[in-house]
Amino acid sequence: AQKVTQAQTEISVVEKEDVTLDCVYETRDTTYYLFWYKQPPSGELVFLIRRNSFDEQNEISGRYSWNFQKSTSSFNFTITASQVVDSAVYFCALSERNRGSTLGRLYFGRGTQLTVWP
Amino acid sequence: GAVVSQHPSWVICKSGTSVKIECRSLDFQATTMFWYRQFPKQSLMLMATSNEGSKATYEQGVEKDKFLINHASLTLSTLTVTSAHPEDSSFYICSARDLAAGRYFGPGTRLTVT
Repeated sequence: AQKVTQAQTEISVVEKEDVTLDCVYETRDTTYYLFWYKQPPSGELVFLIRRNSFDEQNEISGRYSWNFQKSTSSFNFTITASQVVDSAVYFCALSERNRGSTLGRLYFGRGTQLTVWP
Repeated sequence: GAVVSQHPSWVICKSGTSVKIECRSLDFQATTMFWYRQFPKQSLMLMATSNEGSKATYEQGVEKDKFLINHASLTLSTLTVTSAHPEDSSFYICSARDLAAGRYFGPGTRLTVT
């Protein structure tokens, strides 16, 4: 079974619209980490956020916000007032604890292609 | 922030030749490095995990004799694609983990085998 599911393959919005990218994960560990990465057309992965399983507070960073809900195993990402430069593939990833507190391998979702039209 | 470089950023080679891709952590010591492959419009697939000074651990289905990984120092890991074929054409990305368990990605190497 997939550990990280991003059900939305592609999303298109018009500039200034808000958009939410969904991420559902599966793990038996009580300690784990969740990530979001942005991959623009250049290919380089851009780190957006890392959240550990004990921190359920939602986070806001400028136009970006993340909603972590352990009850539904979801870690959704919202971009408010989207811009053309937000167009990219966004990946959600999960890492389980590996020997103590170090991070184990990352399990990536399939990614969501976001296109923001002017 | 921590920086990971990859060289070359893109390479074209003829079928049957070998290609070496370097991954360097520029301002930190990488205890572990990961190598991923990404086909167009697909997710990142982990190929192998390497710890400095020891043999790499390959994921199921990845040929270790074809994808040679060397992690000789705490700042350098190399991936050599031996006897490359067109089906090896892909985007290869390395990731480095530092002592604080941070995870950083390189910019990727686009390999085209003709």
